[in-house]
Parts: sequence; structure tokens; C-alpha cells
Amino acid sequence: TQLLEQSPQFLSIQEGENLTVYCNSSSVFSSLQWYRQEPGEGPVLLVTVVTGGEVKKLKRLTFQFGDARKDSSLHITAAQPGDTGLYLCAGARDDKIIFGKGTRLHILP
Amino acid sequence: NAGVMQNPRHLVRRRGQEARLRCSPMKGHSHVYWYRQLPEEGLKFMVYLQKENIIDESGMPKERFSAEFPKEGPSILRIQQVVRGDSAAYFCASSPGLAGGMNEQFFGPGTRLTVL
Repeated sequence: TQLLEQSPQFLSIQEGENLTVYCNSSSVFSSLQWYRQEPGEGPVLLVTVVTGGEVKKLKRLTFQFGDARKDSSLHITAAQPGDTGLYLCAGARDDKIIFGKGTRLHILP
Repeated sequence: NAGVMQNPRHLVRRRGQEARLRCSPMKGHSHVYWYRQLPEEGLKFMVYLQKENIIDESGMPKERFSAEFPKEGPSILRIQQVVRGDSAAYFCASSPGLAGGMNEQFFGPGTRLTVL
């Protein structure tokens, strides 16, 4: 059973478009992290959200934690080719961090 | 402040040989995690260790795989008698292990194991 479902699995859009990817679960998490992984590299932490309803912005990226702390979204405005990568969400519960399978994003120039 | 270090970055082994993967956590971090990633897939948790203790090895295959995090030195993931199916990228992450707090994990660059 996959505790964290990420959607879509794959997304290919034109440069300049907006997009949203989702991370959903039936479980409550004490915090949730988003990572970006580029080919041949390890995941890089983008943000951690802790409070239900919390919104964090990182330049053109907006992260939101659901009110019930079960889900999260990542919205990218005016996507650029440099945004291409695998976006992973990870939920913290008890002493464990559980990863979703990721959304593979490809921005076409 | 150096990040998580992993070596080697690439490792080639023939079937039946042993593979040893090393991970040095970030300075001040006492918790280490190992993950495996197959091409086009997410991260699969293998094992969680603190110094001299295995906390959770629920993701580790029962045979051929072992991990340690000694009092001194790096954490080691050992795979004995490797098979082709062990070919993957193995990532190590570390966290500060703050009690009751969020334990963000910081990843190393990974070791890419190829079994011939």
C-alpha cells in the first residue's frame, strides 16, 4: 500500500505555463517535505510544511499543506526548463519519513 | 558545513562479489537513513540507524544486506554476493534527530551500483 500518492506521475508542459502537482494520503503527518531530484543526483530539500493550511513560497513555487495535514500541493508559476526534475513529497509520522513515488516534470523550451 | 558524503559515486561489481557503500552524515547529524532507487522510480526506504544502533530495518532484504553506523566513522551498507537485481542507486540521508521535532533529511549524491 502506497501511503503517499503523488499525481500526476508524469507531466510535460511548455515553458511559461503554470502547473500543480499533488501529494495525497489518508494518513496524518506531523510535517511534510518536498524535494527535487535531478538525474544523477540526490534529492534536494525544497521546503518543509508543518502547520495545517500552511502556505510557503519559494520564488515561483508555492507549497500548501492541507488543513488536515494529510495532503499537500506544489504550484509552479511560469515554469522554466530549469524546473525539470523529479519532485518527491515525504511525510513525517512518528519516527518515520515516507516518500511518495514522485512526479516527473519536464518543461519544454 | 559539508553536506552528506557518499562514496564511491559509482561501483561496478560482478555477480557474487561484495559491495560496500559508505556514507558520512552532515556534521552534527546522528541519524542515518539508506534508500534504494530504481530507474524511473521513487525512493524505497531500507534502514534507519543511529550511532551503534539499528532503529528500523523493515525495508532491508533479510538476506545478503546489512548496515552499520559505528561510533566512529561512516555508516556502511554492505551487500554480499551481489546479483544483477541489486543494480540501483543507493542514497544515504542524515538528520539531526531532534526529539519531537521535524527531522528533515538531507541526502547525499548517491552510489550507483552496477552488477555485471
